[in-house]
Amino acid sequence: KAGVTQTPRYLIKTRGQQVTLSCSPISGHRSVSWYQQTPGQGLQFLFEYFSETQRNKGNFPGRFSGRQFSNSRSEMNVSTLELGDSALYLCASSLLASGVSYNEQFFGPGTRLTVL
Amino acid sequence: AQSVSQHNHHVILSEAASLELGCNYSYGGTVNLFWYVQYPGQHLQLLLKYFSGDPLVKGIKGFEAEFIKSKFSFNLRKPSVQWSDTAEYFCAVNPWNQGGKLIFGQGTELSVKP
Repeated sequence: KAGVTQTPRYLIKTRGQQVTLSCSPISGHRSVSWYQQTPGQGLQFLFEYFSETQRNKGNFPGRFSGRQFSNSRSEMNVSTLELGDSALYLCASSLLASGVSYNEQFFGPGTRLTVL
Repeated sequence: AQSVSQHNHHVILSEAASLELGCNYSYGGTVNLFWYVQYPGQHLQLLLKYFSGDPLVKGIKGFEAEFIKSKFSFNLRKPSVQWSDTAEYFCAVNPWNQGGKLIFGQGTELSVKP
């Protein structure tokens, strides 16, 4: 079974631009979560999507948004990029069944975003 | 605020030494607990997890962890480390009523000398 895939793997943008990152979960997984990893702040939760609905959200400004499609693929968007948005963005997928609130998450390789 | 604290930022051991990495969390309710590992150049992988039941859980590659509810701790142990265990280790907590949200500790970098 293929793992979680993220595209692109590397991205360089300039301040003020916007960026869209993509995540394809493991086949059959319906939950997708996004995390930001930086040397200073570590791994921080951005948001989670399940059945095309945002189920949970972390403490990030509104410039960070996401969505999920009917095939469970997810995208996250960052608008008006700032230097501090430079980070590794990780996507994780989880198999959730009806009545199950949580299951383990499988992480992708991440997208390395550099903002100049 | 909910948080996860890992006591050691960098641990250096010789092969065959025993390992214990500390993890404490601040959350008063029910939690699911995890240890993830990130080997150099690779992505995060699940080492072990605790959802309920026996507080001593065994994971892959000889790792185990013990959940002590009264101490809000979930320490990771391995009796004898190998050079291939060199990696960064992350403790993570999922509060039961917060969907898929994982709260991570800052990570512990483990270097094992051959």
